[in-house]
Amino acid sequence: NAGVMQNPRHLVRRRGQEARLRCSPMKGHSHVYWYRQLPEEGLKFMVYLQKENIIDESGMPKERFSAEFPKEGPSILRIQQVVRGDSAAYFCASSPSGQRNYGYTFGSGTRLTVV
Amino acid sequence: GESVGLHLPTLSVQEGDNSIINCAYSNSASDYFIWYKQESGKGPQFIIDIRSNMDKRQGQRVTVLLNKTVKHLSLQIAATQPGDSAVYFCAENSGQNFVFGPGTRLSVLP
Repeated sequence: NAGVMQNPRHLVRRRGQEARLRCSPMKGHSHVYWYRQLPEEGLKFMVYLQKENIIDESGMPKERFSAEFPKEGPSILRIQQVVRGDSAAYFCASSPSGQRNYGYTFGSGTRLTVV
Repeated sequence: GESVGLHLPTLSVQEGDNSIINCAYSNSASDYFIWYKQESGKGPQFIIDIRSNMDKRQGQRVTVLLNKTVKHLSLQIAATQPGDSAVYFCAENSGQNFVFGPGTRLSVLP
C-alpha cells in the first residue's frame, strides 16, 4: 500500500503562473481533503471531495483556487495566477469514509514557492 | 468560530523524561480528537485518537487525556526519545473535517 501520494514534492512558480498539485489517495479511500500549512503554523482546511463531487469547500479562497476529484485519476488542486502569499505546503489526506470518527492519512505534501 | 489552540508553542525535555503536550478546544460539540506528529519536511502522522465518550486512551508510550468539562486535551509521551522530536498537533472534529491547532514543537535534549 503506497499511502497517499502527492506530486510534485516541490513546485516553484513565478507570480501570475498556474500551479497544479496532484494527490492520489490510498487504495480503497474515496474521500480526499486538502489542507494548507504556512511556515510555523497549523494546517488549515481548504476542501473536502469525493469522487466527482465537492462536499465542502468552505476553506477555499473564492478566487483563483479550484479543486477536483475526477472519476479516474488523482485529485487536483489548481491555483491560478499565483501570488507570493500562496507560498505554503499543501497537504492532501484521504480516508475510507466521510464519517468523522475516522482519522486521515496524509501525504508528504507539495511545497509551493512563488517567486 | 471553532478554534483549537495549544498552551505551549515549544517544549524542551531531557531524553528519557516524560513529555506532556496540551491542547485547548472551543467547540463543545467536537466528539472526536486526534494527535498528529509532523517531522520536518513530512506530512502529519497519526499518533492516537480518542472519542468524547472516553477520558483516557493509551497506546505504545503515549497516552491521551480528554477533559470535556474544561475542553482540554493532552498528549503524554513516556520516556521521550530523540525520535520524538517533531511538531505535535491536536485536531478536533465536530463535522466533516478536522480543525487543527497551531502545533507544539517538541525538542528532545541529549
